[in-house]
Amino acid sequence: DGGITQSPKYLFRKEGQNVTLSCEQNLNHDAMYWYRQDPGQGLRLIYYSQIVNDFQKGDIAEGYSVSREKKESFPLTVTSAQKNPTAFYLCASSFSTSTDTQYFGPGTRLTVL
Amino acid sequence: DQQVKQNSPSLSVQEGRISILNCDYTNSMFDYFLWYKKYPAEGPTFLISISSIKDKNEDGRFTVFLNKSAKHLSLHIVPSQPGDSAVYFCAAAFTGNQFYFGTGTSLTVIP
Repeated sequence: DGGITQSPKYLFRKEGQNVTLSCEQNLNHDAMYWYRQDPGQGLRLIYYSQIVNDFQKGDIAEGYSVSREKKESFPLTVTSAQKNPTAFYLCASSFSTSTDTQYFGPGTRLTVL
Repeated sequence: DQQVKQNSPSLSVQEGRISILNCDYTNSMFDYFLWYKKYPAEGPTFLISISSIKDKNEDGRFTVFLNKSAKHLSLHIVPSQPGDSAVYFCAAAFTGNQFYFGTGTSLTVIP
């Protein structure tokens, strides 16, 4: 069945290590997004991609990197340069980046020790 | 600068009564609005949307109202059910641009 998957659900890493979060969709959506959720704050956009091999920075891109080599996949790397990496990370996709409804994955809780 | 605001972090309502969740925005160019529902440790799920050419959209127990002059939208849930207990996010965008999300309102429906 169609949807967006994120793995793993919980992830622990030591400070100073890079970590990559997976996001896969089989909805044939062109656009994909990464958000971060922190307590008391709304979802904040990290990066988005409108099409394969193209992506743009969102509001809080510093310390993160992405790639979009395949339509179905949009992995997010949290680098050691990200000062507060512990958060709940959400991936989403939509048919396009115009005003299309975004559909979200289940999220990955990253804890940096 | 928060372009979309949900000023009530929490709301409690008796089962069967109406729940009204509010959202304010600052950018008059926003022309598309959505509401999402989110359970703890899960991704948000789409609930209902409205474009700026309408002032009301209804889907079952859920109705969204848009007041463009006041830059305000609201989500009405009637009747409220215990399963509606979740965090509700509003989001706004203008065509071709990113969505901006509010900080969420935690709704508790008391049986």
